[in-house]
Amino acid sequence: EVQLVESGGGLVQPGGSLRLSCAASGFTFSSYSMNWVRQAPGEGLEWVSNIATTGATMYYADSVRGRFTISRDNAKNSLYLQMSSLTDEDTAVYYCARDLHGDYAFDHWGQGTLVTVSS
Amino acid sequence: QSALTQPASVSGSPGQSITISCTGTNSDIGTYIYVSWYQQHPGKAPKLLIYDVSYRPSGVSSRFSGSKSGSTASLTISGLQFEDEADYYCSSYTSSNTPRVFGGGTKLTVL
Repeated sequence: EVQLVESGGGLVQPGGSLRLSCAASGFTFSSYSMNWVRQAPGEGLEWVSNIATTGATMYYADSVRGRFTISRDNAKNSLYLQMSSLTDEDTAVYYCARDLHGDYAFDHWGQGTLVTVSS
Repeated sequence: QSALTQPASVSGSPGQSITISCTGTNSDIGTYIYVSWYQQHPGKAPKLLIYDVSYRPSGVSSRFSGSKSGSTASLTISGLQFEDEADYYCSSYTSSNTPRVFGGGTKLTVL
């Protein structure tokens, strides 16, 4: 069974940093590109970032480019999101989502981790 | 990259069919087959319903179907059930430097 378990969320002050993790199991992690998707309270889904299978290619939403860094450790079956210069607009539930193999659909999602940016 | 455009809400009665539209541009839906749809119940993670415009993952009910015409994709739910009440999101691959985009979401109410 595919499982994605996010961790690392919490309360952080504006301008602060936070690192999210996503532990993957039940599939060959190194064979799938991975994503972070977020959802602000009461709002819709927003794609945040994608990383290719080897970690060689990364993409970011305009709203986070230059502040967030996606990475992965295939040996540890883990995905990460380093977030810095956080503002209240980054307050959201952050989901780790797997790409359908060789495709551009999010076929498995974690349960999400809440990031709250507030003083 | 602007979000894809979906109606804010739709409603229907049990047994009826409804269609949710998702309008994009020639940079996304109009060019690529990579249109997907997701169902999200309150407090839960989204669930993939449709990928590549019209394909259903294993385990998804055949009551859910997808289509595309030009730059507009559609999700049709037939034989509405109370359990279908949820938020629905479309997504597409795009040719921009932010290669994924979601619609704003549509709240389905089953009356």
